[in-house]
Amino acid sequence: AQSVTQLGSHVSVSEGALVLLRCNYSSSVPPYLFWYVQYPNQGLQLLLKYTTGATLVKGINGFEAEFKKSETSFHLTKPSAHMSDAAEYFCAVITFTGGGNKLTFGTGTQLKVEL
Amino acid sequence: ETGVTQTPRHLVMGMTNKKSLKCEQHLGHNAMYWYKQSAKKPLELMFVYSLEERVENNSVPSRFSPECPNSSHLFLHLHTLQPEDSALYLCASSQVAGGPTSYEQYFGPGTRLTVT
Repeated sequence: AQSVTQLGSHVSVSEGALVLLRCNYSSSVPPYLFWYVQYPNQGLQLLLKYTTGATLVKGINGFEAEFKKSETSFHLTKPSAHMSDAAEYFCAVITFTGGGNKLTFGTGTQLKVEL
Repeated sequence: ETGVTQTPRHLVMGMTNKKSLKCEQHLGHNAMYWYKQSAKKPLELMFVYSLEERVENNSVPSRFSPECPNSSHLFLHLHTLQPEDSALYLCASSQVAGGPTSYEQYFGPGTRLTVT
């Protein structure tokens, strides 16, 4: 079964500092990986995805992630944090079921941005 | 309306009530999903519908009953719920295959359910 593990349920950074949110995956097949963000009282919004091809993927709001097969990782980064980045972030891996596709999520990382 | 909408946004119900959650997608997708988000637990996939046919049911109790009358609408019928069913219920949709946005799931804002 495919799964993802997010290290650190809470991360705190200063405004303007680097954001690094960690995600490691377990998969017996080449994984399709996603990062979602959830703001308070809202649903999940897709930040970026990796399917095939270029291992460095860029997403919305200045975020990017790098797929590293040797490390089974897909960490999310942003060079300079902004107050508006404060939210919960979820890493996910997709399983193809032949019909709909099943997303398996990590437990989430709450990002706090301080002045 | 755009994207994925869910109604109601908040619902309080007693354990003996019957209620329904509604989800509508305006994206032309052909798969829809129900997820449960509880505090301190990972998001749990409950049901998957592809081309209006249920393709996955993740051992969800029978007090939750999904319905997908067409590719744009998804319902979750609730009856005799338990307090532990209190959670945020999220609906999502996707295109199953084909095109650059295949496999991307788009989520609604959720229904915050409280069972008393």
